[in-house]
Amino acid sequence: SAVISQKPSRDICQRGTSLTIQCQVDSQVTMMFWYRQQPGQSLTLIATANQGSEATYESGFVIDKFPISRPNLTFSTLTVSNMSPEDSSIYLCSVVWGGGNTEAFFGQGTRLTVV
Amino acid sequence: GENVEQHPSTLSVQEGDSAVIKCTYSDSASNYFPWYKQELGKGPQLIIDIRSNVGEKKDQRIAVTLNKTAKHFSLHITETQPEDSAVYFCAAGQNFVFGPGTRLSVLP
Repeated sequence: SAVISQKPSRDICQRGTSLTIQCQVDSQVTMMFWYRQQPGQSLTLIATANQGSEATYESGFVIDKFPISRPNLTFSTLTVSNMSPEDSSIYLCSVVWGGGNTEAFFGQGTRLTVV
Repeated sequence: GENVEQHPSTLSVQEGDSAVIKCTYSDSASNYFPWYKQELGKGPQLIIDIRSNVGEKKDQRIAVTLNKTAKHFSLHITETQPEDSAVYFCAAGQNFVFGPGTRLSVLP
């Protein structure tokens, strides 16, 4: 199966700063998603990253706080802006290959701690 | 939108016993139901899935059953092993709404 790489794997950031997380896939995919997983909790969808257009955000998430880019079919970034301790979470990239497939596969995640 | 519930939240079994985790969903239009296993410090791993046109699917020690009328689906793990210990998540809906998770502990 294809490889999904997320960078960084973890980071500790100062409040008020921003962090950009990268998701790279080694083959073209139809759909890319970004999830947040707060400590000990389930996964919550932040947005669908759309290639060449603005991401589609879920209720409770806004572009100013979580700007997303997807310049091509293999790469996406999520930025967590103006961070506060409440943003401490694991952020996960997920992809669907398409072509009739609906299975979603996840990267290893980025563990973010805001101090 | 879709709402997914999952039970139990924690489950402890003896090695070799079976484990069953159940999820219920709200949107009758949902037609794809995956199960994920998440080990500590790792991303969720897809272990099995089922589509609405079948009632059961099996892959070695793992099986999933689906009852569309009742809107619930279950994960069955037989002959459990210590390496099965992890958090398991179900999901449903077009945007993959996840259940709250079940922490499974297999005791040697």
